[in-house]
Amino acid sequence: IAGITQAPTSQILAAGRRMTLRCTQDMRHNAMYWYRQDLGLGLRLIHYSNTAGTTGKGEVPDGYSVSRANTDDFPLTLASAVPSQTSVYFCASSESSGGGYNEQFFGPGTRLTVL
Amino acid sequence: GQNIDQPTEMTATEGAIVQINCTYQTSGFNGLFWYQQHAGEAPTFLSYNVLDGLEEKGRFSSFLSRSKGYSYLLLKELQMKDSASYLCAVRDSNYQLIWGAGTKLIIKP
Repeated sequence: IAGITQAPTSQILAAGRRMTLRCTQDMRHNAMYWYRQDLGLGLRLIHYSNTAGTTGKGEVPDGYSVSRANTDDFPLTLASAVPSQTSVYFCASSESSGGGYNEQFFGPGTRLTVL
Repeated sequence: GQNIDQPTEMTATEGAIVQINCTYQTSGFNGLFWYQQHAGEAPTFLSYNVLDGLEEKGRFSSFLSRSKGYSYLLLKELQMKDSASYLCAVRDSNYQLIWGAGTKLIIKP
C-alpha cells in the first residue's frame, strides 16, 4: 500500500441499506477526512478525525457516522442510505490538523449510487 | 456564511498562459491551497499560500492578496495534460478547508 486506499471503487446500493466505505492510509498521518463531491459544488466535509480516537462533524454530517480506532483506518458508514447520498466520496489525510503547509492527500474515491 | 468563488470553465490554447482567479470570504484565514483534479481522479496538491505575494513552482505560480480576499493560479506554457479542474480551498479559523466548486480548464491545440 502506498498512500491512501479506498474500497469499494464503486457501488450501487438500494435505499434503506447500510453501507460502510473503507479508507486506509499508510503514511502515519494523524488527521483524516471524509468529503463528498457533487457536480457544481465544492468538496464538502462530512466528518474528520484530528487523531486516533477522536472524531468531529463537518459541514454535512447527517446520515453518516465514522470511527477512528487506530491511525491507519477511517471507515464511513451510511446507516440507512437515501438517494441524496448519491455522490463521489473522497477520503483524505494530512500530517496534522493544524496550520502550515500540511496539505491533504486524497484517496482515489468511491462512486456511490443510491437507488 | 463562507464562500469561495471561481469561474466555472475556462478555455485556453496549448502553449499559452492562463490565469484562474479565486475570491473568498471565510471565517478566518489560515492559508489557501490550489489543487488539480483530472476527470474521474482524486485532487492532487499544487500550491499553498499563507502570506501575500507570488509563489512559483515550475510552470505554475500562485498569488495571494489577503486584504482583497483574492488569489490566482497562473499556468504557463500550457500542455494538453493541463486539461483538468482546478480547485481553490481556504483553511478557515477552525483549520478546516472550505472548497470552491472548481474551474474546468479546457486546452485546445
